[in-house]
Amino acid sequence: NAGVMQNPRHLVRRRGQEARLRCSPMKGHSHVYWYRQLPEEGLKFMVYLQKENIIDESGMPKERFSAEFPKEGPSILRIQQVVRGDSAAYFCASSPLERSDKGDEQFFGPGTRLTVL
Amino acid sequence: DAKTTQPNSMESNEEEPVHLPCNHSTISGTDYIHWYRQLPSQGPEYVIHGLTSNVNNRMASLAIAEDRKSSTLILHRATLRDAAVYYCILRADGSGNTGKLIFGQGTTLQVKP
Repeated sequence: NAGVMQNPRHLVRRRGQEARLRCSPMKGHSHVYWYRQLPEEGLKFMVYLQKENIIDESGMPKERFSAEFPKEGPSILRIQQVVRGDSAAYFCASSPLERSDKGDEQFFGPGTRLTVL
Repeated sequence: DAKTTQPNSMESNEEEPVHLPCNHSTISGTDYIHWYRQLPSQGPEYVIHGLTSNVNNRMASLAIAEDRKSSTLILHRATLRDAAVYYCILRADGSGNTGKLIFGQGTTLQVKP
């Protein structure tokens, strides 16, 4: 069973461009979480999605950031008009549907490291 | 979300046991205690979790105080590969819980050969 996959692993963008980060959860997992880790800082929750629904976006910046998890295909974190402060490692995690409310574990991907020039 | 307090850093010698403490004095009855770790340049990795009783798995043991206001992650024989940042996290159970993890600063564990 393949783990959580993220691509690209490294992404370089110039200021003002768009960044699209992809996350394929583990097989059978219907819950996806996105976290951001700024340089020399801790991990911060951004958004929680189930298939076709955003459940909790309390950690998402109000502008330029959006996330989706379509019925088919990977979850996408989209950052429009990137700025240097968006440079960070972005991690996604998945958990299985039937145990997500029982304190069960989340499985993390290797992350996408975004660099904004 | 209830807050946890951990030492910023700890050192250990290889092949010796390591006890990583965590204080969570405001824990509620439905909060699970989770431990994750993050190796350098990698995503976080689940280690163990528990509610009231002590727990053991292939990676570590979790000792939970009787009043649940503190817990200790125990690595029985530290290896160089265990050098990482260890996060103690409380996750609430219940239908209203979204399952998000609130990471603190964690404890940076150094393992010396």
